[in-house]
Amino acid sequence: AQKITQTQPGMFVQEKEAVTLDCTYDTSDQSYGLFWYKQPSSGEMIFLIYQGSYDEQNATEGRYSLNFQKARKSANLVISASQLGDSAMYFCAMREGIPMDSNYQLIWGAGTKLIIKP
Amino acid sequence: KAGVTQTPRYLIKTRGQQVTLSCSPISGHRSVSWYQQTPGQGLQFLFEYFSETQRNKGNFPGRFSGRQFSNSRSEMNVSTLELGDSALYLCASSPGTGEAFFGQGTRLTVV
Repeated sequence: AQKITQTQPGMFVQEKEAVTLDCTYDTSDQSYGLFWYKQPSSGEMIFLIYQGSYDEQNATEGRYSLNFQKARKSANLVISASQLGDSAMYFCAMREGIPMDSNYQLIWGAGTKLIIKP
Repeated sequence: KAGVTQTPRYLIKTRGQQVTLSCSPISGHRSVSWYQQTPGQGLQFLFEYFSETQRNKGNFPGRFSGRQFSNSRSEMNVSTLELGDSALYLCASSPGTGEAFFGQGTRLTVV
């Protein structure tokens, strides 16, 4: 079964609109972390936001916020007031367990290609 | 504060050769992880080093190896290169738990 599911292969959004990128995850661990990264065509993987499973508040970083719904195993990324420079691939990832666990690694979704239209 | 530095950015190698990639993590970060990204397989975990010890390993053949030095810099080595090893190799730096920051990657082409 897929551990991380991103159901939107691609999205077109008008500049200045808000964007929600979907991510659902599957884990039986109580301790895990959820990540969102942006990858422009240059290839660099840019860290956007992190949410720990025990964090009660939704994480926010500038224009990025993570809508964490633990019971639904959902970790959607919200970008407010989109900009042309937001056009890129966006990846959701999860890391389960604690550092000494053998599965303590980033597991990735397939990504969503976001294109911002002027 | 300097970010994660990967060198070289681009490499072209011939089948059968070996290659060494380098990653310098963020100062103070003791964990370095390596990932391979290909169009067909997406992002896959190679291994993680923490304080010079391999803490985790992904499902890759023994041709893929790595190490970490006392200054936390890490290298990964691929021996007997195959065409399928062509990929973007990404290195992640982390304090050990929580956030993980990546370098710009090394794009390896095997011909």
